[in-house]
Amino acid sequence: TQLLEQSPQFLSIQEGENLTVYCNSSSVFSSLQWYRQEPGEGPVLLVTVVTGGEVKKLKRLTFQFGDARKDSSLHITAAQTGDTGLYLCAGNNDMRFGAGTRLTVKP
Amino acid sequence: DAGVIQSPRHEVTEMGQEVTLRCKPISGHDYLFWYRQTMMRGLELLIYFNNNVPIDDSGMPEDRFSAKMPNASFSTLKIQPSEPRDSAVYFCASSHYPVGGHWNTEAFFGQGTRLTVV
Repeated sequence: TQLLEQSPQFLSIQEGENLTVYCNSSSVFSSLQWYRQEPGEGPVLLVTVVTGGEVKKLKRLTFQFGDARKDSSLHITAAQTGDTGLYLCAGNNDMRFGAGTRLTVKP
Repeated sequence: DAGVIQSPRHEVTEMGQEVTLRCKPISGHDYLFWYRQTMMRGLELLIYFNNNVPIDDSGMPEDRFSAKMPNASFSTLKIQPSEPRDSAVYFCASSHYPVGGHWNTEAFFGQGTRLTVV
């Protein structure tokens, strides 16, 4: 089993602020996915990163895959209240998830 | 397609009773996953199937838990007997394994079953 550690566990910020959350492992992944989960719903895929060093942008969200394919980060610019949720990363070698970062964006 | 469908959405049962959770995956998907989510342990993979065959059940907590997939459109997760510590949200997800042998595909989740064992 390849363990994924996410940090921080909780993050509470004001609307308009920037933030970065992390997903780290000692294992190498063929690809890594980020999901967002809202209360009462299942996780929904945001992005898949495949190549070491890859950067993908999804509107205000920027995802980066580490050069060694062992870690990833998610940066949100000018956070909005709609960004509130649980952000999960999953190593695609075995579809297991990290514990997640619970983000709260306050108005 | 209506997506992954789980039933029931909520289940409250007494300790010792049998509980059966149901899942209908997206048509055409080859893989089906069962997860359990709690605040303490996060989203844990319990078991997954490929073409109706269980591939990895190492996440199943103990013998009280069992999962079946009798056909491509239906799976069950059974807990017998249930205990209060089984209280959690149980998710089913399905995905289509792409040609090329890569997990580079999206897992689609149901809305979950919130189980409370009292």
